[in-house]
Amino acid sequence: AQTVTQSQPEMSVQEAETVTLSCTYDTSESDYYLFWYKQPPSRQMILVIRQEAYKQQNATENRFSVNFQKAAKSFSLKISDSQLGDAAMYFCACLNAGNMLTFGGGTRLMVKP
Amino acid sequence: DSGVTQTPKHLITATGQRVTLRCSPRSGDLSVYWYQQSLDQGLQFLIQYYNGEERAKGNILERFSAQQFPDLHSELNLSSLELGDSALYFCASSSTRVLYGYTFGSGTRLTVV
Repeated sequence: AQTVTQSQPEMSVQEAETVTLSCTYDTSESDYYLFWYKQPPSRQMILVIRQEAYKQQNATENRFSVNFQKAAKSFSLKISDSQLGDAAMYFCACLNAGNMLTFGGGTRLMVKP
Repeated sequence: DSGVTQTPKHLITATGQRVTLRCSPRSGDLSVYWYQQSLDQGLQFLIQYYNGEERAKGNILERFSAQQFPDLHSELNLSSLELGDSALYFCASSSTRVLYGYTFGSGTRLTVV
């Protein structure tokens, strides 16, 4: 079984500033993938960024980047130049070889104008 | 539009009743997954189907059942409904290359009164 833990129930950031959301995971698999999903008030689940565990290079998608520390089983999301539209719930998730996607409990991000 | 279609969007029903939630996966995707999201919580995996066959089961109650039909659409049946079953039910689909993550539908909001 695998577990994903997000220790920050809520975070806030000033518009245009940078914020980092934390995530730790535990899996016995050697081959797995990590994801961050965004859930805005519309409740739609939107893929933000993905990371392949065998790749050492941290993934980047525009203002979103990750800090992947495989040995520490840590996968944090950094949002640069925060915008009002970034306000949402963010979920970290781990995909194992059995194609099972396990989610953390989520972090609610508030963006202050 | 993610390509995954869930109907209905909203459903209000009384305790003890039975409902059916429907999901049409993205074109070409053979796998369908069902998740339950209770208020302000993470997504809990219910069940997975691949090309009509059940592949994995999570903490799905015995009152809940699902199936995937030859045209690949899936239905989640919830019976003997209780107040605690009120939640957002997501369907997601994926291609064989699951490493790109799941594509989620917009969810069905079930309210049991």
